Amino acid sequence: NAGVTQTPKFRILKIGQSMTLQCAQDMNHNYMYWYRQDPGMGLKLIYYSVGAGITDKGEVPNGYNVSRSTTEDFPLRLELAAPSQTSVYFCASSYPARGGSGNTIYFGEGSWLTVV
Amino acid sequence: AQKVTQAQTEISVVEKEDVTLDCVYETRDTTYYLFWYKQPPSGELVFLIRRNSFDEQNEISGRYSWNFQKSTSSFNFTITASQVVDSAVYFCALNTNAGKSTFGDGTTLTVKP
Repeated sequence: NAGVTQTPKFRILKIGQSMTLQCAQDMNHNYMYWYRQDPGMGLKLIYYSVGAGITDKGEVPNGYNVSRSTTEDFPLRLELAAPSQTSVYFCASSYPARGGSGNTIYFGEGSWLTVV
Repeated sequence: AQKVTQAQTEISVVEKEDVTLDCVYETRDTTYYLFWYKQPPSGELVFLIRRNSFDEQNEISGRYSWNFQKSTSSFNFTITASQVVDSAVYFCALNTNAGKSTFGDGTTLTVKP
């Protein structure tokens, strides 16, 4: 019953460093998402993907890159980390369907990232 | 463009009071899905309910109930006889088959004993 798994859970980065947040889902979901949640704020969509090989920008894509080479994996790359990227990052997945539990977004447990 | 507005930033009630959390949405899609999620202090996001745009039936689950009205583009959430464990941030969200999801900014509910 893994669902959506994201690693690492906690990370401290220095300004200018790069890193990749890993995300994997085992539910065979087409859609995957990356959100960030700043302290006391809501979730902002960074990037999303509707299937392997297809990615699209969300609301706040600057400073991030993604790839979707397989259905299961959707890593988020931070290049040249900045303090403004200090946030909690959530990976999520869903599948498009008219009925059942389709379109329900299932979340990972979050990754706490601090850039100092 | 899609938008979800949760006008209430913070709500504080005393235990056993009823409380309604408001959610208003905007979308051009005719098929869409609405959600409520709970985020307790531990930080995880807990799915509460999903509603399709073509199903306006209201739903009750224990002390929780949801009122979906397409005419006013609202999807409000009511907790009856609130409890301290209901204290959390509650998010309303909108998703479409195009895959793009939008969350409101959340309502922080504090239930005092």
